[in-house]
Formats: sequence, C-alpha cells, structure tokens
Amino acid sequence: KAGVTQTPRYLIKTRGQQVTLSCSPISGHRSVSWYQQTPGQGLQFLFEYFSETQRNKGNFPGRFSGRQFSNSRSEMNVSTLELGDSALYLCASSHGRANEQFFGPGTRLTVL
Amino acid sequence: KNQVEQSPQSLIILEGKNCTLQCNYTVSPFSNLRWYKQDTGRGPVSLTIMTFSENTKSNGRYTATLDADTKQSSLHITASQLSDSASYICVVSPTSGTYKYIFGTGTRLKVLA
Repeated sequence: KAGVTQTPRYLIKTRGQQVTLSCSPISGHRSVSWYQQTPGQGLQFLFEYFSETQRNKGNFPGRFSGRQFSNSRSEMNVSTLELGDSALYLCASSHGRANEQFFGPGTRLTVL
Repeated sequence: KNQVEQSPQSLIILEGKNCTLQCNYTVSPFSNLRWYKQDTGRGPVSLTIMTFSENTKSNGRYTATLDADTKQSSLHITASQLSDSASYICVVSPTSGTYKYIFGTGTRLKVLA
C-alpha cells in the first residue's frame, strides 16, 4: 500500500506570493491533518480534515487555509507569504479521526 | 497549559553505545503517548505507542517507558547504529481539549562511527 504522498517536495517563493501544497493520503484513510515544522518551534498543528470538513484548526492566521476533496486528497494554501512561513509542511493521514497518523515526506517551502 | 518537553535538545554518541532520551509532559488526562523518529527532511515515523496504563513498549532496539505518576517517558536506544541519527519526537494525545496531539520539540541524536 502506498504511503502518504506530498507534492511538490520543494518550493521556493517570494514574499507576497501565494502557494498551494497537495497531499494524497494512504488509500482508505479519510482523515488528513497538516502541520508546520520549523527548527525552533517543532511541529505545529495547522488543521484537520475529515470527510471534506475541517474538524479542527490550530492557532494560525487566516492566510493559512485548506480543503479536502471527496477522494480524501487535501490541499493547503498560504496567501501573502511571509519570510516566517519558510518551513517543512507535513501532511498526515489516518483511517479515522482516532486512529494512528502516518506522515508524508513533507514539502520544504522557502520564502525569499 | 498542556506541554511536552524533551531533553536533551541534542545528543552525540558513538556507534554501539546506548542512550536514553527523556520526555516530560503536563498533559492530563491523556489517552496515549507516542515516540516518533524523524530523519532529516523526511516525515516522522512511529516507533512506539503506549496507552496511559502501559509501562513499557519495545520495538527492536528501541524501548519506551512511561511513568504516569511522575509524568515522564523515556526512549532507550540499545547498541546505537549510524542510521539512528535522527530527531526523536515525543507526542502526547490529550483526552479532551482543542488539540488531538501535543508535540515535543524533539531530541536531535547524532551517532558517530
């Protein structure tokens, strides 16, 4: 069974631009969560989607948004990029909301 | 405030040696505690998961322990290998509250030949 896949793996953007990251969960998994990871802060929860509905949201500004499609694939969008948005963005999927999460390899975003 | 703190922040050991990583948490009550291994530039991979009632869980050379009274967990790595060089993250799942997972900031382990 294929693992969680994230595209693109690496991305370079400039301040003020916007970016869309994609996550394909493990087949059969319906819950997708997004995290931001920076060296100083560790893993920070962004949001969780289940059955196309956002179920939980972390403490991030409205520039960060996401959605989930009927096939459970998810996208997250960051608008008006800031230098501080440079990070590894991780997606994790699970069968249900209470099941173990499996992480993807992440998307490394660099904002110049 | 629910917190998970890990120590040390970083650790360097020689190949073949043992080491122990610590995780102190204030999350209570919680349903389970996980240890993840994260290689540089990759996503975390689960090593062990313990419910609040378990004391120890092993996965090969990795052994996690949990003391719910002192709110401490440790990850012991036996006979370290170069491939153990990674970050190790402790994650606690509270039974209530906004967040399903509270992450520690990790311990960065470097194993030298």
